[in-house]
Formats: sequence, structure tokens, C-alpha cells
Amino acid sequence: QKEVEQNSGPLSVPEGAIASLNCTYSDRGSQSFFWYRQYSGKSPELIMFIYSNGDKEDGRFTAQLNKASQYVSLLIRDSQPSDSATYLCAVRDTGNQFYFGTGTSLTVIP
Amino acid sequence: DTGVSQDPRHKITKRGQNVTFRCDPISEHNRLYWYRQTLGQGPEFLTYFQNEAQLEKSRLLSDRFSAERPKGSFSTLEIQRTEQGDSAMYLCASSGGGSTGFPGNTIYFGEGSWLTVV
Repeated sequence: QKEVEQNSGPLSVPEGAIASLNCTYSDRGSQSFFWYRQYSGKSPELIMFIYSNGDKEDGRFTAQLNKASQYVSLLIRDSQPSDSATYLCAVRDTGNQFYFGTGTSLTVIP
Repeated sequence: DTGVSQDPRHKITKRGQNVTFRCDPISEHNRLYWYRQTLGQGPEFLTYFQNEAQLEKSRLLSDRFSAERPKGSFSTLEIQRTEQGDSAMYLCASSGGGSTGFPGNTIYFGEGSWLTVV
């Protein structure tokens, strides 16, 4: 079974701070890595994906990938109350199968 | 591009009844996935189609679950003889395929179908 591990939280940060979300995965053959945001009672929505080692920035979001350590993270700068949600890490393997972590609950305190 | 569409959005059924969910993927996407999600958990893989071929099915999926994608377009997920443990959100997602890094590799979810078995 391919594992994707996330700290379930809850993680609380004050408005305007940087939120840091972490994820580790077990399958070294994993191809691409994704972050989804899920509001309570809603379906996951894609934030960004990354497939090369290093950083990838998109607006206030930065994804970081370290394949040697099997580690991927998401940084949210200038956190807003609207960022309060559960963040899901997902990993795609060579068979186009996607595996999800259990998610980290983030609360941004105004 | 209307996104992934799922129907019905909510279903309440009595234990023992059969239910069917429908998913219409993004029109140019050839891959379609079904997931199940319960409270506090991440999406759990159920099955996966590429065009009309069902390529993979979770070992966790009992024989009461069946999925089809007859013409490689929409898909249905049927649950027979529902049990209370089947209560969950059933998520459909689709992907356009392509090589690693191609944006089409990303899966996009529909709004989900909530099932409550009473």
C-alpha cells in the first residue's frame, strides 16, 4: 500500500502569517505531487502541482519538493481567514493512480 | 468546459436498497476516477477508467460495488444492497492524461455525491 502521510493538525496561524503544511510519501516511483484545498462539505479543489525538485510559486502559494527525502510541502504566505480549510496532499504514481493523505486542517485566526 | 458533473448530489436510501451515481467528466478527459471520502479522511480510491476500460479496482471494493463507463464518456457507480457503512461522499474526478508534468495529468473533482444509508 502506497502511503501519503500528513499531520492532521489542526494548525492555527494568525492572519498575515505564513502557514507551512507538510507531506511525506512512501513510493519512490511517484511522478507528480499535488495540493488540494477542501472546504467543509465541499469537494477538493486543486491549488497547484509540482513534479521537479525545488520550489514552485503561484501567487501566495509555494510548493516545495524533495524527492530524495520523499517530502513535499506547501507554504501559504500572508494567510487569510478564507484560507481556513483542509489541505490534502496527493501523489501520482507511474500507473496514473493518485493517492491522498488524510489532510491537514488549517485555521487562520483574524 | 463545464467541469466534472455528478448526479445526484445527495441521496438518502434505506439499508438494502441499490443506488446509482452518475459522473460526466470534463469533455476532453479520457481518464475517470471514483473515490470515496468519509469525515476526517482523505479520498479513498475505488476504481479508475481510461476511456471505456476499467484499469484498476481497489481491493477494498466489495462485490456490491460496480462501475461502468460504456462509451468512454460518462460513468456510473452502482452500490447494491447498501449498508450503513456505505454512507460517505462519492467523488468522481477526471484527467486528460499525457506525460509527467503535462497539466492534463492533474485530476479535477466533481462536487461529489453524498450518500446517507438509514
